[in-house]
Amino acid sequence: GAGVSQSPRYKVAKRGQDVALRCDPISGHVSLFWYQQALGQGPEFLTYFQNEAQLDKSGLPSDRFFAERPEGSVSTLKIQRTQQEDSAVYLCASSLYRIVSTDTQYFGPGTRLTVL
Amino acid sequence: DAKTTQPNSMESNEEEPVHLPCNHSTISGTDYIHWYRQLPSQGPEYVIHGLTSNVNNRMASLAIAEDRKSSTLILHRATLRDAAVYYCTYSGSARQLTFGSGTQLTVLP
Repeated sequence: GAGVSQSPRYKVAKRGQDVALRCDPISGHVSLFWYQQALGQGPEFLTYFQNEAQLDKSGLPSDRFFAERPEGSVSTLKIQRTQQEDSAVYLCASSLYRIVSTDTQYFGPGTRLTVL
Repeated sequence: DAKTTQPNSMESNEEEPVHLPCNHSTISGTDYIHWYRQLPSQGPEYVIHGLTSNVNNRMASLAIAEDRKSSTLILHRATLRDAAVYYCTYSGSARQLTFGSGTQLTVLP
């Protein structure tokens, strides 16, 4: 069956450019998460959606980061005016339910963003 | 914030058992402990989860201490394909998972 897919897999941007990263969650999954993973570190939470509602964006590092999930399925993470410190792997995960402690998150392969 | 502590790295010989420890002293009574692993250039992959009693699945076993402040992931026979970073995590009061730096498992042929 289809898992979580992300595109592009790799993105190189010049400093100051805007980028958009796409996540296609598993069909029917209610919850969607974005994480940022720096080299050699574990993933760090960015934001969480329940269907189309963004319920938590406390992990977004600055107002240059924006995420949306307008129809409750596909999500886009947008980074405006990229900086070198934005270079990381951006992971998307989805889960079936409205987050209960037993829920399993299914991760996509990530988008590796390099800002030059 | 949910916080876990794991050794940075461990080594195992192929086809031998591996015990990966994790401390989670701030866990609450209702939080499930989850283990994920991440192979190079891939997203994290679910391994196992549990609440109080020990759990087994086709990938691994999870042994949870009676006070729930620590747990151990057990790979019964490590293979080269098990080489990965293993993360122990739980959600705490938040919805998201909080990952530490994980344990880099090296499997020696």
